[in-house]
Amino acid sequence: QSALTQPPSASGSPGQSVTISCTGTSSDVGGPYNYVSWYQQHPGKVPKLMIYHVSKRPSGVPDRFSGSRSGNTASLTVSGLQAEDEADYYCGSFAGSNNWVFGEGTKLTVL
Amino acid sequence: EVQLVESGGGVIQPGGSLRLSCAASGFNFNAHTMHWVRQAPGKGLEWVSLITWDGGSTSYADSVRGRVTISRDNTKNSLFLQIDSLTTEDTAFYYCAKDLPGWGGMDVWGQGTTVTVSS
Repeated sequence: QSALTQPPSASGSPGQSVTISCTGTSSDVGGPYNYVSWYQQHPGKVPKLMIYHVSKRPSGVPDRFSGSRSGNTASLTVSGLQAEDEADYYCGSFAGSNNWVFGEGTKLTVL
Repeated sequence: EVQLVESGGGVIQPGGSLRLSCAASGFNFNAHTMHWVRQAPGKGLEWVSLITWDGGSTSYADSVRGRVTISRDNTKNSLFLQIDSLTTEDTAFYYCAKDLPGWGGMDVWGQGTTVTVSS
């Protein structure tokens, strides 16, 4: 159960797009199920589900947030960056046998 | 309102035990898989454990297996986490979270409870 690999940081200017990667293995991210999710966490706040099942958005999440997957790597893209998007982002994946694993986290800075 | 409220955290000496509780309200608790997730100070999220809707299946992270027991009482809409043989590495904020059906991840989180292991 090793943590999924994410870049420690990412940044972009307001209005730009930024993509955060999440690399795992064929046992989790690249497994035969679409159980990858993404979470946003502002400092001192509770994590918030932003993407589930690789690319689906829960109600209330802006469509500026999108998810995708290719092989063992999932990605979260934030388009039209806004100041409020500055936060930590974590990917999570089902890892088989009812186990879950999170990514190491990426700090997104809006320049 | 869908809500999860954790309790039971505190300062505990190494080697001690602790039982965390999570009170659920506003949704059909007995229909959902539930998770415990922790976050050490300044660190990332770490999945700890899950229990299926009926308590029939449980699973644990390698880092806690053998020291942690998850359980639930669907008659009281409550989730529990028993942690034994605490070490300083267990110091963290502990969240309970509800699973989005179909292994969609954690869509509802509690505010968390702090566990500090220190002598």
